[in-house]
Amino acid sequence: NAGVTQTPKFQVLKTGQSMTLQCAQDMNHEYMSWYRQDPGMGLRLIHYSVGAGITDQGEVPNGYNVSRSTTEDFPLRLLSAAPSQTSVYFCASSWDREGQPQHFGDGTRLSIL
Amino acid sequence: QQQVKQSPQSLIVQKGGISIINCAYENTAFDYFPWYQQFPGKGPALLIAIRPDVSEKKEGRFTISFNKSAKQFSLHIMDSQPGDSATYFCAASVGGNQFYFGTGTSLTVIP
Repeated sequence: NAGVTQTPKFQVLKTGQSMTLQCAQDMNHEYMSWYRQDPGMGLRLIHYSVGAGITDQGEVPNGYNVSRSTTEDFPLRLLSAAPSQTSVYFCASSWDREGQPQHFGDGTRLSIL
Repeated sequence: QQQVKQSPQSLIVQKGGISIINCAYENTAFDYFPWYQQFPGKGPALLIAIRPDVSEKKEGRFTISFNKSAKQFSLHIMDSQPGDSATYFCAASVGGNQFYFGTGTSLTVIP
């Protein structure tokens, strides 16, 4: 099993550009989520999904869209990137709705100029 | 507003010593309290977790102490080793859907 795979690992964008961060898991996990990690802020939940076709907002959803068409994939879209979205983004998945234990990917480091 | 407050921000401990990291929360609806360990360039990994119906949980050198009345919980790392040097995050959730993380503690264990 590869676990949780995030692509790309690094990305530089210009303000206003759009992009999609990819997240895939091969563990047949129902629950998937996206976090951003900023210095001194810990991890903050952006969006999460409890199964294919079901998504919901987390703590900091503004500026991000998600969809969950399959169990395996949970992409995160930035429609119009802003410098405030410069961060390290982590995707996580877990077996059931209780969300434990969460398996994290190794992150995407995103810089927006 | 930080839902889970974590301290200290950084911690330096001698090899063989005890590392203690503390977290506090306000939302009494939280029902799950995990601790994560993160190494540079990697995602967080679950270390140990506790539910509020127990006051202590131990796994190897790692122990969570939970004080429900004080709304505090802490991670104790016994016999700290240089390989334990990492960033540690506490977290809390309600029903396993939304997780709130502390701001992290950078632990350095010196030989």
